[in-house]
Amino acid sequence: GAGVSQSPRYKVAKRGQDVALRCDPISGHVSLFWYQQALGQGPEFLTYFQNEAQLDKSGLPSDRFFAERPEGSVSTLKIQRTQQEDSAVYLCASSVTTVNTEAFFGQGTRLTVV
Amino acid sequence: AQRVTQPEKLLSVFKGAPVELKCNYSYSGSPELFWYVQYSRQRLQLLLRHISRESIKGFTADLNKGETSFHLKKPFAQEEDSAMYYCALRTSGTYKYIFGTGTRLKVLA
Repeated sequence: GAGVSQSPRYKVAKRGQDVALRCDPISGHVSLFWYQQALGQGPEFLTYFQNEAQLDKSGLPSDRFFAERPEGSVSTLKIQRTQQEDSAVYLCASSVTTVNTEAFFGQGTRLTVV
Repeated sequence: AQRVTQPEKLLSVFKGAPVELKCNYSYSGSPELFWYVQYSRQRLQLLLRHISRESIKGFTADLNKGETSFHLKKPFAQEEDSAMYYCALRTSGTYKYIFGTGTRLKVLA
């Protein structure tokens, strides 16, 4: 595809439900990032993959958040037992190499926990 | 800790007026600074980065290490410049961005 693709675009979950958010990066991009953007805030870093290796998960807010990229391409961000404070836009970005290159963002998944 | 501050949540200017979106950062090393823009219903996209020293869509930004600032400027605003603008910092040799809270620019006809 032409850019980073995320699905679903919108997700409404009941409190306590598990959700899975998908990211298809640009083909061949080594680096993949997940960011969380709460209402009125800038994106905040969650986690980083270099190919299939998760090199940094320092931004994951709790052990309810889990991300994977098993084949170094598509990535999934999973949130278990969702809570209202998890409501946010989740952004995925990819870049061709590890540093000093532009990151391309997807359109995001808006998660609303009710 | 590294931080990016964008003091204005909303900036309204008339078409043809000059624009300056403020960005200050805190980082003691050599930073990489970026401006990202998000037009209505579109994804976040890179507008410019300080190492390129280029002008995109008439916008420029100069890194001022003394004032730790990276303000975005345009001499004559256009209606199509209306968007959300985010300043971002990337510390030397790393991969993750630290974003400011963003400034919404409204250019009035």
